[in-house]
Amino acid sequence: DAKTTQPPSMDCAEGRAANLPCNHSTISGNEYVYWYRQIHSQGPQYIIHGLKNNETNEMASLIITEDRKSSTLILPHATLRDTAVYYCIVRVGGANTGNQFYFGTGTSLTVIP
Amino acid sequence: GAVVSQHPSWVICKSGTSVKIECRSLDFQATTMFWYRQFPKQSLMLMATSNEGSKATYEQGVEKDKFLINHASLTLSTLTVTSAHPEDSSFYICSARSYTDTQYFGPGTRLTVL
Repeated sequence: DAKTTQPPSMDCAEGRAANLPCNHSTISGNEYVYWYRQIHSQGPQYIIHGLKNNETNEMASLIITEDRKSSTLILPHATLRDTAVYYCIVRVGGANTGNQFYFGTGTSLTVIP
Repeated sequence: GAVVSQHPSWVICKSGTSVKIECRSLDFQATTMFWYRQFPKQSLMLMATSNEGSKATYEQGVEKDKFLINHASLTLSTLTVTSAHPEDSSFYICSARSYTDTQYFGPGTRLTVL
């Protein structure tokens, strides 16, 4: 699976949009981009995933560049409860692929009041 | 939907004893579950892939005789830490792969070995 690079930490003001970048320059054509977050001492929470197109759900938006070498997770209106470590993972999708996730170090997002 | 539970949420045991951790997918069936370990201030490390009805696949460096994994049904996988020692103290997290190919994680089990 492709390796990802994320900034180790970011701050964001409460109520503002949080934009978390991820570089995955070696991503292959059949690898999806997944985002999870982990609040202290809890299991990771699924946020969103995508292959080529931008995606949006009730939690966040995922913007994937046209060359697919990087992506940005957007939390439109950050709240204090969004303070967590955010992980960007790229992985081959579909059945019979093993589907393992290998976590990098992630970005520690702190939302400031 | 897509809820995964773990039991117990925390456990303290004496060195040399064995501890069993359960992982259940509550509202979906999971042919594949995964076990991770996380040390303080570190990221999650994949330990093994658990497939229903077959032997688990362990990551390099993980002792299969020490971390016994059983996936006897489509909603339950268990991890048994045998002859636990203080260095096995960690946060153990499971996940289950749904039919949509997304992994959903349990809340984790904090193991402390005295």
